[in-house]
Amino acid sequence: EAGVTQFPSHSVIEKGQTVTLRCDPISGHDNLYWYRRVMGKEIKFLLHFVKESKQDESGMPNNRFLAERTGGTYSTLKVQPAELEDSGVYFCASRLEGSYNSPLHFGNGTRLTVT
Amino acid sequence: LAKTTQPISMDSYEGQEVNITCSHNNIATNDYITWYQQFPSQGPRFIIQGYKTKVTNEVASLFIPADRKSSTLSLPRVSLSDTAVYYCLVGDWDNYGQNFVFGPGTRLSVLP
Repeated sequence: EAGVTQFPSHSVIEKGQTVTLRCDPISGHDNLYWYRRVMGKEIKFLLHFVKESKQDESGMPNNRFLAERTGGTYSTLKVQPAELEDSGVYFCASRLEGSYNSPLHFGNGTRLTVT
Repeated sequence: LAKTTQPISMDSYEGQEVNITCSHNNIATNDYITWYQQFPSQGPRFIIQGYKTKVTNEVASLFIPADRKSSTLSLPRVSLSDTAVYYCLVGDWDNYGQNFVFGPGTRLSVLP
Protein backbone atom coordinates (compact mmCIF):
# COMPACT_ATOMS: atom_id res chain seq x y z
CA GLU A 1 0.00 0.00 0.00
CA ALA A 2 1.44 3.35 -1.03
CA GLY A 3 1.65 5.91 1.74
CA VAL A 4 0.74 9.58 1.69
CA THR A 5 2.85 11.38 -0.88
CA GLN A 6 3.54 15.08 -1.09
CA PHE A 7 5.01 17.13 -3.88
CA PRO A 8 7.31 18.95 -4.07
CA SER A 9 9.53 17.98 -1.15
CA HIS A 10 11.12 21.42 -1.19
CA SER A 11 10.13 24.75 -2.67
CA VAL A 12 11.96 28.04 -2.58
CA ILE A 13 10.06 31.07 -3.84
CA GLU A 14 10.25 34.82 -3.53
CA LYS A 15 7.85 36.90 -1.54
CA GLY A 16 4.80 37.70 -3.63
CA GLN A 17 4.99 34.61 -5.77
CA THR A 18 2.51 31.75 -5.83
CA VAL A 19 3.17 28.17 -4.79
CA THR A 20 0.95 25.11 -5.01
CA LEU A 21 1.55 22.09 -2.82
CA ARG A 22 0.07 18.73 -3.64
CA CYS A 23 -0.93 15.79 -1.46
CA ASP A 24 -1.95 12.32 -2.59
CA PRO A 25 -3.59 10.47 0.29
CA ILE A 26 -3.69 6.72 0.78
CA SER A 27 -6.20 5.25 -1.64
CA GLY A 28 -9.61 4.91 -0.03
CA HIS A 29 -8.96 7.44 2.74
CA ASP A 30 -11.80 9.91 2.70
CA ASN A 31 -10.31 12.14 5.39
CA LEU A 32 -7.45 14.43 4.40
CA TYR A 33 -5.74 16.93 6.69
CA TRP A 34 -3.23 19.71 6.18
CA TYR A 35 -0.87 20.74 8.98
CA ARG A 36 1.99 23.21 9.13
CA ARG A 37 5.02 23.73 11.29
CA VAL A 38 6.79 27.05 11.15
CA MET A 39 10.30 27.35 12.54
CA GLY A 40 10.47 26.69 16.26
CA LYS A 41 6.73 26.20 16.63
CA GLU A 42 4.42 23.25 17.10
CA ILE A 43 2.70 21.42 14.28
CA LYS A 44 -0.54 23.30 13.71
CA PHE A 45 -3.75 22.15 12.09
CA LEU A 46 -4.82 23.97 8.93
CA LEU A 47 -7.85 22.18 7.56
CA HIS A 48 -9.69 18.91 7.14
CA PHE A 49 -11.46 17.46 4.10
CA VAL A 50 -13.98 14.68 4.09
CA LYS A 51 -13.98 13.54 0.50
CA GLU A 52 -14.23 16.76 -1.51
CA SER A 53 -15.88 18.81 1.23
CA LYS A 54 -14.10 21.08 3.67
CA GLN A 55 -15.13 19.77 7.07
CA ASP A 56 -13.07 22.22 9.08
CA GLU A 57 -10.89 25.07 7.84
CA SER A 58 -10.63 26.90 11.12
CA GLY A 59 -6.84 26.64 11.10
CA MET A 60 -6.23 28.39 7.80
CA PRO A 61 -4.20 31.50 8.64
CA ASN A 62 -5.72 33.91 6.13
CA ASN A 63 -7.29 34.19 2.69
CA ARG A 64 -3.94 33.87 0.94
CA PHE A 65 -4.28 30.14 1.50
CA LEU A 66 -6.64 28.10 -0.69
CA ALA A 67 -7.10 24.36 -0.37
CA GLU A 68 -8.97 22.20 -2.82
CA ARG A 69 -9.77 18.54 -3.19
CA THR A 70 -11.62 18.14 -6.43
CA GLY A 71 -13.12 14.67 -6.87
CA GLY A 72 -12.18 13.69 -3.36
CA THR A 73 -8.79 12.28 -4.30
CA TYR A 74 -5.65 14.39 -4.18
CA SER A 75 -5.56 17.82 -2.59
CA THR A 76 -3.73 21.04 -3.36
CA LEU A 77 -2.82 23.89 -1.08
CA LYS A 78 -2.07 27.16 -2.83
CA VAL A 79 -0.41 30.12 -1.22
CA GLN A 80 -0.92 33.36 -3.13
CA PRO A 81 0.84 35.70 -2.68
CA ALA A 82 3.42 34.10 -0.42
CA GLU A 83 4.82 36.04 2.53
CA LEU A 84 7.98 35.46 4.53
CA GLU A 85 6.03 34.10 7.51
CA ASP A 86 4.59 31.33 5.35
CA SER A 87 7.93 29.54 5.43
CA GLY A 88 7.75 26.19 7.15
CA VAL A 89 6.99 22.54 6.59
CA TYR A 90 3.53 21.63 5.34
CA PHE A 91 2.34 18.15 6.20
CA CYS A 92 -0.57 16.26 4.75
CA ALA A 93 -2.24 13.32 6.47
CA SER A 94 -5.07 10.96 5.64
CA ARG A 95 -7.23 8.50 7.55
CA LEU A 96 -10.20 6.25 6.98
CA GLU A 97 -13.67 7.60 7.47
CA GLY A 98 -16.04 6.39 10.13
CA SER A 99 -13.69 4.85 12.63
CA TYR A 100 -12.61 6.42 15.91
CA ASN A 101 -9.47 4.32 16.05
CA SER A 102 -8.27 5.05 12.56
CA PRO A 103 -4.88 6.77 12.93
CA LEU A 104 -3.51 9.57 10.82
CA HIS A 105 -0.96 8.63 8.16
CA PHE A 106 1.41 11.45 7.31
CA GLY A 107 3.43 12.35 4.28
CA ASN A 108 6.99 13.59 4.62
CA GLY A 109 5.97 17.16 4.09
CA THR A 110 6.85 20.01 1.77
CA ARG A 111 9.47 22.42 3.06
CA LEU A 112 8.53 25.87 1.84
CA THR A 113 11.03 28.70 1.99
CA VAL A 114 9.88 32.20 1.10
CA THR A 115 12.72 34.66 0.54
CA LEU B 1 -6.01 25.01 24.13
CA ALA B 2 -3.55 22.23 24.90
CA LYS B 3 -5.05 18.78 24.71
CA THR B 4 -1.96 16.90 25.80
CA THR B 5 1.03 17.55 28.03
CA GLN B 6 4.37 15.76 27.73
CA PRO B 7 7.91 16.35 28.96
CA ILE B 8 9.77 18.52 26.49
CA SER B 9 12.87 16.35 26.43
CA MET B 10 14.39 13.15 27.78
CA ASP B 11 17.81 11.57 27.63
CA SER B 12 18.57 7.88 27.73
CA TYR B 13 21.36 5.44 26.98
CA GLU B 14 21.40 2.62 24.52
CA GLY B 15 19.82 -0.56 25.84
CA GLN B 16 17.67 1.16 28.45
CA GLU B 17 13.91 1.17 28.64
CA VAL B 18 12.33 4.57 28.10
CA ASN B 19 8.93 5.58 29.38
CA ILE B 20 7.28 8.77 28.14
CA THR B 21 4.09 9.86 29.87
CA CYS B 22 1.42 12.05 28.34
CA SER B 23 -1.40 13.77 30.21
CA HIS B 24 -4.76 14.18 28.50
CA ASN B 25 -7.15 15.18 31.25
CA ASN B 26 -10.01 16.10 28.95
CA ILE B 27 -9.99 13.03 26.74
CA ALA B 28 -13.40 12.29 25.21
CA THR B 29 -15.18 8.98 25.65
CA ASN B 30 -14.72 8.02 22.02
CA ASP B 31 -11.09 9.06 21.74
CA TYR B 32 -8.24 6.69 21.20
CA ILE B 33 -4.71 7.64 22.23
CA THR B 34 -2.18 7.51 19.44
CA TRP B 35 1.58 7.94 19.58
CA TYR B 36 3.76 9.10 16.74
CA GLN B 37 7.51 9.24 16.14
CA GLN B 38 9.11 11.92 14.01
CA PHE B 39 12.62 12.07 12.61
CA PRO B 40 14.06 15.23 11.07
CA SER B 41 12.86 15.87 7.52
CA GLN B 42 10.13 13.27 7.82
CA GLY B 43 6.46 13.28 8.70
CA PRO B 44 5.17 11.85 11.97
CA ARG B 45 5.04 8.06 11.85
CA PHE B 46 2.41 5.98 13.66
CA ILE B 47 3.85 3.88 16.50
CA ILE B 48 0.99 2.56 18.60
CA GLN B 49 -2.60 3.24 19.56
CA GLY B 50 -4.81 2.23 22.45
CA TYR B 51 -8.08 2.91 24.22
CA LYS B 52 -7.54 1.42 27.67
CA THR B 53 -5.31 -0.97 29.66
CA LYS B 54 -2.23 -2.16 27.79
CA VAL B 55 -1.35 -2.50 24.13
CA THR B 56 1.86 -4.02 22.81
CA ASN B 57 3.27 -4.30 19.33
CA GLU B 58 6.66 -5.10 17.86
CA VAL B 59 8.15 -1.70 18.67
CA ALA B 60 6.46 -0.39 21.82
CA SER B 61 3.96 -0.83 24.62
CA LEU B 62 1.27 1.60 25.65
CA PHE B 63 -0.09 1.70 29.19
CA ILE B 64 -3.39 3.45 29.86
CA PRO B 65 -4.85 3.66 33.38
CA ALA B 66 -8.54 3.15 34.04
CA ASP B 67 -9.35 6.87 34.13
CA ARG B 68 -7.61 7.34 30.74
CA LYS B 69 -6.34 10.77 31.76
CA SER B 70 -2.80 9.80 30.94
CA SER B 71 -0.86 7.25 28.95
CA THR B 72 2.71 5.97 28.96
CA LEU B 73 4.65 4.97 25.90
CA SER B 74 7.30 2.38 26.72
CA LEU B 75 10.21 1.77 24.38
CA PRO B 76 12.17 -1.33 25.36
CA ARG B 77 15.96 -1.33 24.96
CA VAL B 78 16.32 1.87 22.93
CA SER B 79 19.03 2.30 20.33
CA LEU B 80 20.61 5.40 18.81
CA SER B 81 18.10 5.23 15.98
CA ASP B 82 15.25 5.86 18.42
CA THR B 83 16.43 9.44 18.83
CA ALA B 84 13.40 11.39 17.63
CA VAL B 85 10.46 13.50 18.74
CA TYR B 86 7.52 11.57 20.15
CA TYR B 87 3.96 12.93 20.11
CA CYS B 88 0.82 11.67 21.77
CA LEU B 89 -2.42 12.65 20.10
CA VAL B 90 -6.01 12.48 21.20
CA GLY B 91 -9.06 13.75 19.39
CA ASP B 92 -10.16 17.35 19.60
CA TRP B 93 -13.90 17.44 19.26
CA ASP B 94 -15.52 20.69 18.24
CA ASN B 95 -18.45 21.86 16.12
CA TYR B 96 -16.73 20.47 13.05
CA GLY B 97 -16.23 16.97 14.36
CA GLN B 98 -13.04 15.19 15.32
CA ASN B 99 -9.68 16.85 14.81
CA PHE B 100 -6.21 16.14 16.15
CA VAL B 101 -4.03 18.70 17.89
CA PHE B 102 -0.29 18.36 18.29
CA GLY B 103 1.50 19.37 21.43
CA PRO B 104 5.22 20.16 21.48
CA GLY B 105 6.13 16.48 21.78
CA THR B 106 9.00 14.89 23.69
CA ARG B 107 12.47 15.07 22.20
CA LEU B 108 14.21 11.82 23.09
CA SER B 109 17.98 11.69 22.83
CA VAL B 110 19.59 8.28 23.03
CA LEU B 111 23.25 8.40 23.96
CA PRO B 112 25.86 5.70 23.33
